[in-house]
Amino acid sequence: KAGVTQTPRYLIKTRGQQVTLSCSPISGHRSVSWYQQTPGQGLQFLFEYFSETQRNKGNFPGRFSGRQFSNSRSEMNVSTLELGDSALYLCASSLQDSLQETQYFGPGTRLLVL
Amino acid sequence: SQKIEQNSEALNIQEGKTATLTCNYTNYSPAYLQWYRQDPGRGPVFLLLIRENEKEKRKERLKVTFDTTLKQSLFHITASQPADSATYLCALGGTGRRALTFGSGTRLQVQP
Repeated sequence: KAGVTQTPRYLIKTRGQQVTLSCSPISGHRSVSWYQQTPGQGLQFLFEYFSETQRNKGNFPGRFSGRQFSNSRSEMNVSTLELGDSALYLCASSLQDSLQETQYFGPGTRLLVL
Repeated sequence: SQKIEQNSEALNIQEGKTATLTCNYTNYSPAYLQWYRQDPGRGPVFLLLIRENEKEKRKERLKVTFDTTLKQSLFHITASQPADSATYLCALGGTGRRALTFGSGTRLQVQP
């Protein structure tokens, strides 16, 4: 079974621009979560989608948004980019709603904002 | 607010020894705890999950303990190998809450 894929792998943008990142979960997985990872803050939860509905949201400004499609693929968008948005953005998928759900992570998209 | 602490300093050990990594938490009552491994430039990979009512879990050379009184989990790698060198993250999950909360990770370096 193919793992979680994320595109693009690397991205360079300038302040004020917007960016869209894509995530394809493992086949059959319906839950997709997004995380931001930086050296200073570690892994921080952005949001989670299950069956096209956002079920959970982390403490990030409204510039960060996402959506999930009927095939479970997900996109996240960051508008009006700031230098501090430079980070590794990780997508993780899991099979279904469970209290003890293992997260399967993709390789991440490394975003650099200049 | 909830806080998870992992030793930010790298842990250096000799091959063959047991590595012990610590995850402490405050202001939190997790229903379960997970450990992940992350290599440079890659996403975390799930290793082990332990529930709040379990004291210990083992998988091959890995062992995790969970002490809800001390609010601490210990992660052990026995007979460590250079290939075990990576950053190890602990993550806590709560009842009814889907989002995992991750620690900042501890980097393990196993010297040959």
